[in-house]
Amino acid sequence: GEKVEQHESTLSVREGDSAVINCTYTDTASSYFPWYKQEAGKSLHFVIDIRSNVDRKQSQRLIVLLDKKAKRFSLHITATQPEDSAIYFCAARPSSFSKLVFGQGTSLSVVP
Amino acid sequence: EAAVTQSPRNKVAVTGGKVTLSCNQTNNHNNMYWYRQDTGHGLRLIHYSYGAGSTEKGDIPDGYKASRPSQENFSLILELATPSQTSVYFCASGREETNERLFFGHGTKLSVL
Repeated sequence: GEKVEQHESTLSVREGDSAVINCTYTDTASSYFPWYKQEAGKSLHFVIDIRSNVDRKQSQRLIVLLDKKAKRFSLHITATQPEDSAIYFCAARPSSFSKLVFGQGTSLSVVP
Repeated sequence: EAAVTQSPRNKVAVTGGKVTLSCNQTNNHNNMYWYRQDTGHGLRLIHYSYGAGSTEKGDIPDGYKASRPSQENFSLILELATPSQTSVYFCASGREETNERLFFGHGTKLSVL
């Protein structure tokens, strides 16, 4: 079955710099890749997604890149702010009949 | 805004005891899910449901049962709780067949002593 690996378990960046979180997946059939954010002590909420028919998607300061050849996708957060500090989870779904498979999570700290 | 409510928020149970975690959604979503979150493992799917009366095994169903008595409610049952089931449990709802986002509850922190 699908496996999703998140390469950075922790990441620390200076406020205003960019943060990049990388994920890889194993199933070439995967076509949907969402990202979820979990702030300290809170639940997860959706932040952005990308589908396999495009290789880039942007929503304000968030950019997702998808490299289907390398089976890799990444979340770029530009001009980071303290409120970006959270755990970020990537996920992948092989088909509409499959369930999401989540990565292990990356704890991002934005320091002043 | 879509709402998923879990109860209890915190639970301490004894080994061998029975634990029931409850989840209610007002989103009118067909699909509901139970995940556990553990450091180093991320979110892992325990059970899910396509609608009232339906329960399906996820990736780690051993030691857990699920019940979906209605569209709105989905329970996770630990018949004989073990310390290895100490974790944070999240319920979610969504319409995955159209790749729409999942909505998560606030989580239940379970400690099995």
